[in-house]
Amino acid sequence: DARVTQTPRHKVTEMGQEVTMRCQPILGHNTVFWYRQTMMQGLELLAYFRNRAPLDDSGMPKDRFSAEMPDATLATLKIQPSEPRDSAVYFCASGLPNPGETQYFGPGTRLLVL
Amino acid sequence: AQSVSQHNHHVILSEAASLELGCNYSYGGTVNLFWYVQYPGQHLQLLLKYFSGDPLVKGIKGFEAEFIKSKFSFNLRKPSVQWSDTAEYFCAVNIWSNTGKLIFGQGTTLQVKP
Repeated sequence: DARVTQTPRHKVTEMGQEVTMRCQPILGHNTVFWYRQTMMQGLELLAYFRNRAPLDDSGMPKDRFSAEMPDATLATLKIQPSEPRDSAVYFCASGLPNPGETQYFGPGTRLLVL
Repeated sequence: AQSVSQHNHHVILSEAASLELGCNYSYGGTVNLFWYVQYPGQHLQLLLKYFSGDPLVKGIKGFEAEFIKSKFSFNLRKPSVQWSDTAEYFCAVNIWSNTGKLIFGQGTTLQVKP
């Protein structure tokens, strides 16, 4: 049963620290999405990649957030420096780029910045 | 800009009651439509999707949704809810493109009382 995996599942850190979240997409999926979920804003698309290249990262605060795909099996989302307002659940999803294709979500990283 | 609107933010029902959650989108072209469900503490899972063909789509756990193109709507229904249906429900739209990008609604929290 193929699944998207994310690590860590939970992260508590202090303001100013660097946070790195990792995602392993389902093998064969060449499109990867990063979402942030908060009570106030709901689900927001931060960035997405196809074939490891960033297609759209307009939803991501550029000054502190960065997203990369070092290889086809790993996507990373980094926050440096972190701020309390970054506290949220960060989901990674993977899929294929064809119309109608399902996105498969990972379990999320619950981030708390103190 | 394209958007997805879910009219009900919080719905409370008793078991065996019928459910209908509204979803409207703003885009005049061809779309693919999705309903995702997020059970407490879990990741998003696909409930059902419309790609083409019969506008009445049946999904898992007795859910169904009807695509009404003239109304730009894709409402989710279930004739008789169970306590285990307590979750957050997200409507999403994929504009006919080869990016696979989804636009999500704000979500509807469903609470089913036993």
